[in-house]
Amino acid sequence: AQSVAQPEDQVNVAEGNPLTVKCTYSVSGNPYLFWYVQYPNRGLQFLLKYITGDNLVKGSYGFEAEFNKSQTSFHLKKPSALVSDSALYFCAVRAYNNNDMRFGAGTRLTVKP
Amino acid sequence: GAGVSQSPSNKVTEKGKDVELRCDPISGHTALYWYRQSLGQGLEFLIYFQGNSAPDKSGLPSDRFSAERTGGSVSTLTIQRTQQEDSAVYLCASSLGPLVETQYFGPGTRLLVL
Repeated sequence: AQSVAQPEDQVNVAEGNPLTVKCTYSVSGNPYLFWYVQYPNRGLQFLLKYITGDNLVKGSYGFEAEFNKSQTSFHLKKPSALVSDSALYFCAVRAYNNNDMRFGAGTRLTVKP
Repeated sequence: GAGVSQSPSNKVTEKGKDVELRCDPISGHTALYWYRQSLGQGLEFLIYFQGNSAPDKSGLPSDRFSAERTGGSVSTLTIQRTQQEDSAVYLCASSLGPLVETQYFGPGTRLLVL
């Protein structure tokens, strides 16, 4: 079965600095990869996904992620962090042929002014 | 509606009672998912509905959990004889179709079993 690892429970960055939230995955066959964000007291919101094609995927709110097949990674990045980016971020993976989407445990991003 | 809605937003129940959680997906979305989010953990897949096909129940943790989707729209997740370990946020998501389609999540139902 597929699985996702988010090795950092917490990431702290200063406003204006670049941010990276790490994600590695394990799946049989081609992966479909997703990033979601959860703001306090709100539901999960879709940020971006990789299905096929260009390894660099651009999403909402200036976020992007790079699919690296050899490293089985899909790290989330943003060139310049905002305080409003502070939230819980989830990476998810599903195989191309089943319905079971596996989410990571989440990484709490805190951006300090 | 504009998004996925869930009710109730919060539910407190006593151990051993049954609870029903409701999900209204986005109109026109054929796929519907239920997940559970426990404190400090990621999302756990529970069940998946796609159109009129038989649901994928592979994620349900025990036979106390069941779900229905009536008329291809509203879904109800039922937990019978609740246990304290069932306390979690239950999230519903819908998508236009299966597999590659983006899932849109509801706000969740926070269940507390005393």
